Amino acid sequence: AQSVTQPDIHITVSEGASLELRCNYSYGATPYLFWYVQSPGQGLQLLLKYFSGDTLVQGIKGFEAEFKRSQSSFNLRKPSVHWSDAAEYFCAVGNASGGSYIPTFGRGTSLIVHP
Amino acid sequence: DVKVTQSSRYLVKRTGEKVFLECVQDMDHENMFWYRQDPGLGLRLIYFSYDVKMKEKGDIPEGYSVSREKKERFSLILESASTNQTSMYLCASRPPGRRNEQFFGPGTRLTVL
Repeated sequence: AQSVTQPDIHITVSEGASLELRCNYSYGATPYLFWYVQSPGQGLQLLLKYFSGDTLVQGIKGFEAEFKRSQSSFNLRKPSVHWSDAAEYFCAVGNASGGSYIPTFGRGTSLIVHP
Repeated sequence: DVKVTQSSRYLVKRTGEKVFLECVQDMDHENMFWYRQDPGLGLRLIYFSYDVKMKEKGDIPEGYSVSREKKERFSLILESASTNQTSMYLCASRPPGRRNEQFFGPGTRLTVL
């Protein structure tokens, strides 16, 4: 069965600092990987996704993520955080071959941005 | 633009009431999903549907049922609401295929007193 771990429940950064949110997945084959963001009181919005090809994926709002098969990781990064990036971030893994193709979500990381 | 709407943003109900949460999407998507979101637990799948009149149980279906009479509408039903069903409920839709992203509604925050 597939699973996703986001080891950090909360992350606090200063505005303008760089950001890295961690995501580790467990899945036997090549997964489909997603990062979503949830602003307060809102639904989830897709930031970026990885299926195959270039392991560095660019997304919206200046975010990027890197797929590292050897580490089973798909960490989200941003070089300079803005106050409006304060939100909940969810990593998700989808099944790339056979079986149910319902994505599994991590428990989320809450990003706090200090001025 | 893709649009998923949920009938209420906030809802307060009493224990034992029958509760209907409605979700409508305007993208002609076959797949629709209901999740509940609780602090520290992330999103947990309640039910999903591949097409009209089709439904599948997710990870936590107990205490819930669903209805999909039309392609654009997916309803979540709490037959007899209980306080432990107080939560944020998120609806999502997706075109067929594993690669595709889900599109989420804004959520309904349900409080059961």
